[in-house]
Amino acid sequence: DTEVTQTPKHLVMGMTNKKSLKCEQHMGHRAMYWYKQKAKKPPELMFVYSYEKLSINESVPSRFSPECPNSSLLNLHLHALQPEDSALYLCASSQASSGSGEQFFGPGTRLTVL
Amino acid sequence: GQNIDQPTEMTATEGAIVQINCTYQTSGFNGLFWYQQHAGEAPTFLSYNVLDGLEEKGRFSSFLSRSKGYSYLLLKELQMKDSASYLCAVRGVMNTGFQKLVFGTGTRLLVSP
Repeated sequence: DTEVTQTPKHLVMGMTNKKSLKCEQHMGHRAMYWYKQKAKKPPELMFVYSYEKLSINESVPSRFSPECPNSSLLNLHLHALQPEDSALYLCASSQASSGSGEQFFGPGTRLTVL
Repeated sequence: GQNIDQPTEMTATEGAIVQINCTYQTSGFNGLFWYQQHAGEAPTFLSYNVLDGLEEKGRFSSFLSRSKGYSYLLLKELQMKDSASYLCAVRGVMNTGFQKLVFGTGTRLLVSP
């Protein structure tokens, strides 16, 4: 299994809602990542988990809260988002955050904040 | 910090060869990746270079010169389905010792018949 899965594919939420994005991989990878991608822009790193511990937080606002319940799962909890947070949210995984392994990306969740 | 430059857009004809350049400045270089991304889809891995030289993989080749901070992706025998964005990404080492991937702005390639 060389796949990263993400749910939901699309999400529309209001600014007062609380929702979660989910990501799963079964490749035995120990590093997992959240990226945000706006239209016609490159992915921007948000968070990195290495061995289920948060190792990088790229100064992301606290309305985004990551969680890594186990080595296969990565969640992104969303609360009180702004319309400018609308974007494609990509999850990725790699063997480790160091080393030569490439990152495998999931299909993304297209988020719209109204 | 890291700075990665790519051309914004390129056009080419089906069957032709195209070279997409990437220049970078980074601290703690630990590899350069090329990804392909079709509109609305996730990036897919194409190639990885960490040592100088050419890596060939079917119709795609990637070259790296670390001393020049330069890489290129070469696409041969272009097909219509190659129309996509091509992202150059550099892995660098942060002050904390952790590594992260930083993407260039991407090059939109349009292949015409």
